[in-house]
Amino acid sequence: DTAVSQTPKYLVTQMGNDKSIKCEQNLGHDTMYWYKQDSKKFLKIMFSYNNKELIINETVPNRFSPKSPDKAHLNLHINSLELGDSAVYFCASSQSAPRGNSPLHFGNGTRLTVT
Amino acid sequence: AQSVSQHNHHVILSEAASLELGCNYSYGGTVNLFWYVQYPGQHLQLLLKYFSGDPLVKGIKGFEAEFIKSKFSFNLRKPSVQWSDTAEYFCAVNSGYSTLTFGKGTMLLVSP
Repeated sequence: DTAVSQTPKYLVTQMGNDKSIKCEQNLGHDTMYWYKQDSKKFLKIMFSYNNKELIINETVPNRFSPKSPDKAHLNLHINSLELGDSAVYFCASSQSAPRGNSPLHFGNGTRLTVT
Repeated sequence: AQSVSQHNHHVILSEAASLELGCNYSYGGTVNLFWYVQYPGQHLQLLLKYFSGDPLVKGIKGFEAEFIKSKFSFNLRKPSVQWSDTAEYFCAVNSGYSTLTFGKGTMLLVSP
């Protein structure tokens, strides 16, 4: 009954590879997000989708490409992985748009390690 | 751009001690304020939120926070902490003009 589920939980890969992280929410929310948490625990928004449309695209390298096949899913594909991409990636969802007052519901995170 | 400052990076307390974690934000207009908690190895969970009404809000697990508009602050408090409160605490703010911005977090360690 996990509200926001993302897979895989751990991802270890070599530099230059391409990988994907999947996210699904069963809360009926309209908005989904990807956040990156670095080694110092700092959380920074990467992308946000509202009803399958990209509404926030922070200064993220274009090696990162989100895809939302429907409003319950938001996947993250990363091309040509670099060492600096190592982090924990959190998917989240909210009922309202990003500037509203609905709290975010987070997934359990995907710990990406690039070697 | 909006910014959120959490004054303490690490806090160490003994069980039953009182807790106050500071949070200040930069935006002067109407804001929505949140505190999230991240237990070791887990995802972020909402502790409490404020967007209007009584500036003293109560959240889960005995936590509360007070919004002081004149000080741009939203400090988190708990009268008596427990060992199980050991976690990372994040303050976050958004507004009609900016998306949710997180502070850098405060690591709370409660010793039994």
